[in-house]
Amino acid sequence: GQQLNQSPQSMFIQEGEDVSMNCTSSSIFNTWLWYKQDPGEGPVLLIALYKAGELTSNGRLTAQFGITRKDSFLNISASIPSDVGIYFCAGRGNAGNMLTFGGGTRLMVKP
Amino acid sequence: DADVTQTPRNRITKTGKRIMLECSQTKGHDRMYWYRQDPGLGLRLIYYSFDVKDINKGEISDGYSVSRQAQAKFSLSLESAIPNQTALYFCATGTPRPRSDEQFFGPGTRLTVL
Repeated sequence: GQQLNQSPQSMFIQEGEDVSMNCTSSSIFNTWLWYKQDPGEGPVLLIALYKAGELTSNGRLTAQFGITRKDSFLNISASIPSDVGIYFCAGRGNAGNMLTFGGGTRLMVKP
Repeated sequence: DADVTQTPRNRITKTGKRIMLECSQTKGHDRMYWYRQDPGLGLRLIYYSFDVKDINKGEISDGYSVSRQAQAKFSLSLESAIPNQTALYFCATGTPRPRSDEQFFGPGTRLTVL
């Protein structure tokens, strides 16, 4: 089946720093989604991307749908302590209607 | 009130027991999903349903069954629980229009099988 490689697996940064994480696929994806999961909660949708090259922002978060359609990036600017959590990418390819999820990036922010 | 609710939130059971996890939603969405989350593996799809009469297997359906009792209710059963089914289980909903790939998750059920 389709697989998504998400990196880095974890990040420990200083408050105020910018953060970048990415997701890559071996096959073309038609949709990319980014979720955040807080401890003890379900994932919450942050940004959805539907078009190659699309760049979308949600507050301090910006995500891009890669031109090759095989990758996506999420950037967080000026990180704050409440950004702590696990960030998941998800995508849908041509092979079916279901989403494939990456393994997650665990973000830790030092005040 | 939460749009997607799951009960119970935590459950400890023994090998061989039958377990049912329940999901209810007030979002009015037609599509419902059950996922399993294991550390470092992201979320994997167990079963999904696009309407009350539609049930489909996901990536890891073996050992699980589901029932879509109504548009708003979708339950997951483990007929005979085994320890490697210890995991976090999430229910999600979605709608075919306008953005059909967006899914909205419940708070999860932590299941431990001893």
